[in-house]
Amino acid sequence: AQSVTQLDSHVSVSEGTPVLLRCNYSSSYSPSLFWYVQHPNKGLQLLLKYTSAATLVKGINGFEAEFKKSETSFHLTKPSAHMSDAAEYFCVVSAWYNTDKLIFGTGTRLQVFP
Amino acid sequence: DTGVSQDPRHKITKRGQNVTFRCDPISEHNRLYWYRQTLGQGPEFLTYFQNEAQLEKSRLLSDRFSAERPKGSFSTLEIQRTEQGDSAMYLCASSPIGGTEAFFGQGTRLTVV
Repeated sequence: AQSVTQLDSHVSVSEGTPVLLRCNYSSSYSPSLFWYVQHPNKGLQLLLKYTSAATLVKGINGFEAEFKKSETSFHLTKPSAHMSDAAEYFCVVSAWYNTDKLIFGTGTRLQVFP
Repeated sequence: DTGVSQDPRHKITKRGQNVTFRCDPISEHNRLYWYRQTLGQGPEFLTYFQNEAQLEKSRLLSDRFSAERPKGSFSTLEIQRTEQGDSAMYLCASSPIGGTEAFFGQGTRLTVV
């Protein structure tokens, strides 16, 4: 069965400093991996997705993630945090038999301080 | 607005009452998903439809829960005899067959008092 583990429930950074949100995955098959963001009172928005093409995936708003099979990791990074990045971030893996069925991690709350 | 639409956005109900939520997917999206998100957790899969056929249901979907998608367009999720443990955000998502992105609605927040 597929699963993801988000290693940090909360991450706090200062505006302008790098962001690192960590995610490990477990999958018996070549996984499809995603990062979604959820702002308060807004729907989930796809940041980026990995579907077995390039291992370094670029997403919206300056975020990127690197798929590392040897480490079973898919960490999300951004070089410089902005106040508007404060939100809940979810690492997600799709089911092996249905790439639209999503299995979410428990989330990482990102706080950005001025 | 051509996104996924959910109604109502908020629902407060007394324990034991029945509630029904509606989801309107993006037009021509064949697949429709329901998820439940409790406080401090990620969304959990409940069920999914391809057109009007309900193809998978999670064990989370007890007998009190029923979902429909008549004519393969909008979907409804009904909870009978609500319990306090049903309090959660109920999310709907849609995607086209063969697509690799699911589009989410803003959800219906249910509070059972």
